[in-house]
Amino acid sequence: QMQLVESGGGVVQSGRSLRLSCVGSGFIFGTFGMHWVRQTPGKGLEWVAFISYDGSNQFSGDSVQGRFTISRDNSMNTVFLHMNSLRPEDTAVYYCAKPVHPNYYGMDVWGQGTTVTVSS
Amino acid sequence: SSELTQDPAVSVALGQTVRITCQGDSLRNYYATWYQQKAGQAPVLVIFGQNNRPSGIPDRFSGFTSGNTAALTITGAQAEDEADYYCNSRGSTTKPVIFGGGTKLTVL
Repeated sequence: QMQLVESGGGVVQSGRSLRLSCVGSGFIFGTFGMHWVRQTPGKGLEWVAFISYDGSNQFSGDSVQGRFTISRDNSMNTVFLHMNSLRPEDTAVYYCAKPVHPNYYGMDVWGQGTTVTVSS
Repeated sequence: SSELTQDPAVSVALGQTVRITCQGDSLRNYYATWYQQKAGQAPVLVIFGQNNRPSGIPDRFSGFTSGNTAALTITGAQAEDEADYYCNSRGSTTKPVIFGGGTKLTVL
């Protein structure tokens, strides 16, 4: 079955960097764009970034633009989220998610999430 | 505006029908996608497109859009449907994907 597994979360000081990874299986990874979505404790979902199937196009949300970069390695079925200049408000569970269709905003497969805690 | 608005909380008696709504200008052009999230778990897709359910989602879940409002209807709510529900859709050029704030559904 289709599956996504995130890793790379942890506790980091404000201003530092972290890289999250997400490995996909059970589908043809290289034919789908991929999303990152985060959820702050006790709050709602916030879209973070999207990368096209071949990595040629990337988009990110206002709150992370200029600090977070999304990339992918299709040979490893992996999408990354490079997070720089981390702030306490970036503390959240980070999910990677596969779109229903290659470039779709709706997501049908989600990972279990990886927790990032940014201390001040 | 590239926002989606949901009621923070809704309740329904066991076995009754409940509608959870999502409002936003983008819904005039793009369908809402709906997710169910239970405590401590990742979101699960329940409705996408005009009214499509992934395999494994009970047929008591259905979706409908009219104008700028999308609705998720649960016909005959069950105790296991108690969860947070989120809508999402396409946003603007600067904010291409947007989520609603979520609705907490309580089954009484």
